[in-house]
Amino acid sequence: QSALTQPASVSGSPGQSITISCTGTSSDIGGYSYVSWYQQHPGKAPKLIIYDVSNRPSGVSNRFSGSKSGNTASLTISGLQAEDEADYYCNSYRTSSTLVFGGGTKLTVL
Amino acid sequence: EEQLVQSGAEVKKPGESLKISCKGSEHTFTFNWIGWVRQMPGKGLEWMGITYPSSSESRYSPSFQGQVTISADKSIRTAYLQWSSLKASDTAMYYCVTLPSFTWRVDNWGQGTLVTVSS
Repeated sequence: QSALTQPASVSGSPGQSITISCTGTSSDIGGYSYVSWYQQHPGKAPKLIIYDVSNRPSGVSNRFSGSKSGNTASLTISGLQAEDEADYYCNSYRTSSTLVFGGGTKLTVL
Repeated sequence: EEQLVQSGAEVKKPGESLKISCKGSEHTFTFNWIGWVRQMPGKGLEWMGITYPSSSESRYSPSFQGQVTISADKSIRTAYLQWSSLKASDTAMYYCVTLPSFTWRVDNWGQGTLVTVSS
């Protein structure tokens, strides 16, 4: 099955804001409000940072925010910090009780 | 956050079978669904499928249907991912994950099990 589409890389300077997009179809992102975002540092397991499009789990910085419009979801990180440098993955529920991930985006903090 | 403890790294030959495990708490297996995620070396995350411990039903991503078997034994709080005949392309890190029942957010990840398949 095809993955959701994310940019391969994004970059920003400390203090700036960046946005990562995640594009799907009406069978996943466009049809449901079950979009999540995960942060993965090298050699570590991923960590949930946004769920149900725009909700943050307890303990996740409010510098992370999520949104959705049509078939595209977005993750915005404001006030970039060096520790935000990581890989970011979106995922969405897809029709027929399955999930699908995006290809991942490497964030570089300049 | 409840801990998921996965079995250790495995090195296997093509054609061999393998079953890896993921152990959690009673709470985990009562109130969560258990899923598996593959990450091939240097690549992204791929959803493999999910098992519902309360019903023993499992559902698979189309890409993994027929390639693996996902199961759980609620009585011993353990989920499994198994292959009947490994291929070199199965070399990857495999993560056990939980989703609170009736939600679709992966809120907890195991430490991962590295499977290496090489002749």
